[in-house]
Amino acid sequence: DSGVTQTPKHLITATGQRVTLRCSPRSGDLSVYWYQQSLDQGLQFLIQYYNGEERAKGNILERFSAQQFPDLHSELNLSSLELGDSALYFCASSVGGGGPGNTIYFGEGSWLTVV
Amino acid sequence: DAKTTQPPSMDCAEGRAANLPCNHSTISGNEYVYWYRQIHSQGPQYIIHGLKNNETNEMASLIITEDRKSSTLILPHATLRDTAVYYCIVRAPHTGTASKLTFGTGTRLQVTL
Repeated sequence: DSGVTQTPKHLITATGQRVTLRCSPRSGDLSVYWYQQSLDQGLQFLIQYYNGEERAKGNILERFSAQQFPDLHSELNLSSLELGDSALYFCASSVGGGGPGNTIYFGEGSWLTVV
Repeated sequence: DAKTTQPPSMDCAEGRAANLPCNHSTISGNEYVYWYRQIHSQGPQYIIHGLKNNETNEMASLIITEDRKSSTLILPHATLRDTAVYYCIVRAPHTGTASKLTFGTGTRLQVTL
């Protein structure tokens, strides 16, 4: 158990809908990262927040957005869903802002299926 | 971030040591080498990381060559539960900003009886 908690574990929704994935980082961790893993793309970095502020952006679509709240939990919002958004979404956390000595720990993921 | 090269797959007999190689010939002097594994769609699991010296923890050992251009992850006594995709990642030192992990395709390790 990494200490990173993600909900829901599984989600099935229809195209065009909007969903919110939630992440609670490990106790004391200030950074939250979101990754997407689909069958044909591997693990892709989406976005990172550090203590409530966006720190880095990866291959995140404009239809997707994220935020980190004062209690440090984070939400990833996916809107206007398409079939291709079906994937595993992982949240990860680390103590600091991302210096290479700060190990990143991953949650167990949220399975999103768009039908 | 420096690129890594790993064999796509490896087999190992249960109880034997699994030695997973990684080439990172363009690594910079202050970049760390990280190893993660992913067991069948579970969350990536941190294994070990190092900068210059060899490292050992309860899961594995990491051997980094003196020129830092390659490394080897060693699982001393592989079990069936070690069957997973193993990722070698070089992490850039974006001090004060972001230092995300960039995953490649990894090595699929199959441990067999």
